[in-house]
Amino acid sequence: DGGITQSPKYLFRKEGQNVTLSCEQNLNHDAMYWYRQDPGQGLRLIYYSQIVNDFQKGDIAEGYSVSREKKESFPLTVTSAQKNPTAFYLCASSIGSTNEKLFFGSGTQLSVL
Amino acid sequence: EDKVVQSPLSLVVHEGDTVTLNCSYEVTNFRSLLWYKQEKKAPTFLFMLTSSGIEKKSGRLSSILDKKELFSILNITATQTGDSAVYLCAVVSSNTGKLIFGQGTTLQVKP
Repeated sequence: DGGITQSPKYLFRKEGQNVTLSCEQNLNHDAMYWYRQDPGQGLRLIYYSQIVNDFQKGDIAEGYSVSREKKESFPLTVTSAQKNPTAFYLCASSIGSTNEKLFFGSGTQLSVL
Repeated sequence: EDKVVQSPLSLVVHEGDTVTLNCSYEVTNFRSLLWYKQEKKAPTFLFMLTSSGIEKKSGRLSSILDKKELFSILNITATQTGDSAVYLCAVVSSNTGKLIFGQGTTLQVKP
């Protein structure tokens, strides 16, 4: 089955620690995205990538980093600089960067210990 | 600043009821409006609207866009417990090409 796989489902971060969220897709989509979802707020864009080896900051990129070394993979690192990391993180992909129809993964819930 | 506002934020109905969810927006150079359903965790695509006044329909769900008044509605008729979810509205600006999401409407359908 084609789709987007995010792992882990739940993740705990200690103070001062960097953690990495995995996102893999087998849809052969060019564009991939990371969103953050907080209760009572809409999805906010963290980073996006339109092609391999290229990515752009979204609206709330501070404290996060990404890489896009392979078309299928777009991992997100939450660094210690992100002071309020507790949130639900969603990865998405689309056929192209101008295609609005996003396919989402099942998300990772990140909590701070 | 571009923004999307959904109302109500939450709604509780009984099976068989009809519900209307609202999405209003202020976006520079509107390109499209999308509705997603988020049950459990992963949002799934419902509709994309680009033209005013043309209804999109899928089973008991339908949606329409009013580009003059800058809003869209999502209707669900004969609701079922399986319709319980968060419904997300997003708008795309031609300027940025990025989706701007509303806060979502949480719908609970009771048996």
